[in-house]
Amino acid sequence: DSGVTQTPKHLITATGQRVTLRCSPRSGDLSVYWYQQSLDQGLQFLIQYYNGEERAKGNILERFSAQQFPDLHSELNLSSLELGDSALYFCASSVDGQPGNTIYFGEGSWLTVV
Amino acid sequence: AQTVTQSQPEMSVQEAETVTLSCTYDTSENNYYLFWYKQPPSRQMILVIRQEAYKQQNATENRFSVNFQKAAKSFSLKISDSQLGDTAMYFCAFMTARGSSNTGKLIFGQGTTLQVKP
Repeated sequence: DSGVTQTPKHLITATGQRVTLRCSPRSGDLSVYWYQQSLDQGLQFLIQYYNGEERAKGNILERFSAQQFPDLHSELNLSSLELGDSALYFCASSVDGQPGNTIYFGEGSWLTVV
Repeated sequence: AQTVTQSQPEMSVQEAETVTLSCTYDTSENNYYLFWYKQPPSRQMILVIRQEAYKQQNATENRFSVNFQKAAKSFSLKISDSQLGDTAMYFCAFMTARGSSNTGKLIFGQGTTLQVKP
């Protein structure tokens, strides 16, 4: 158990809909990351937050947004869903988001868009 | 841009034997970090081992060790005394050591599926 908690574990939704994925980082970790794992794209970095502020942005679509709240939990919002958004979405956390920090991953949220 | 390449999509090994998974990367930076993550059928990403590029000594964690060849930009993972529980997909990952905009960004290879046979 990495200490990173993600909900829901599985989600099935229709095209065009909006979903929210939730993440609680490990106790004491200030930085949260979101990654997407799909068959065609592999593991892709989406976005990183540190102590409530956006730190780095990767290949995140404009239809997707994220935030980190004062209690350090984070949410990834996916809207206008398309079939291609079906993937495993990982949340991860590290102590302070500095280079070299070990990044611990949650169990992921399986999103299926039908 | 940095890239990570794992040239072996699938490998298999007999239980108790040793196997080496290959990883190469491309970067113009001198300081960086390298990682191996394991993803078993449960799909959770589990850190196996990490290496700091400025350290010449190869990292070791129990049965797992790396062969880090900085000049060749190679970072292979050796699993000794393979166990059935080692069956998983293994990902090599790169993290830059500089640039606040890149902080924490792991760049992953395509993964190698390892099957440990009884």
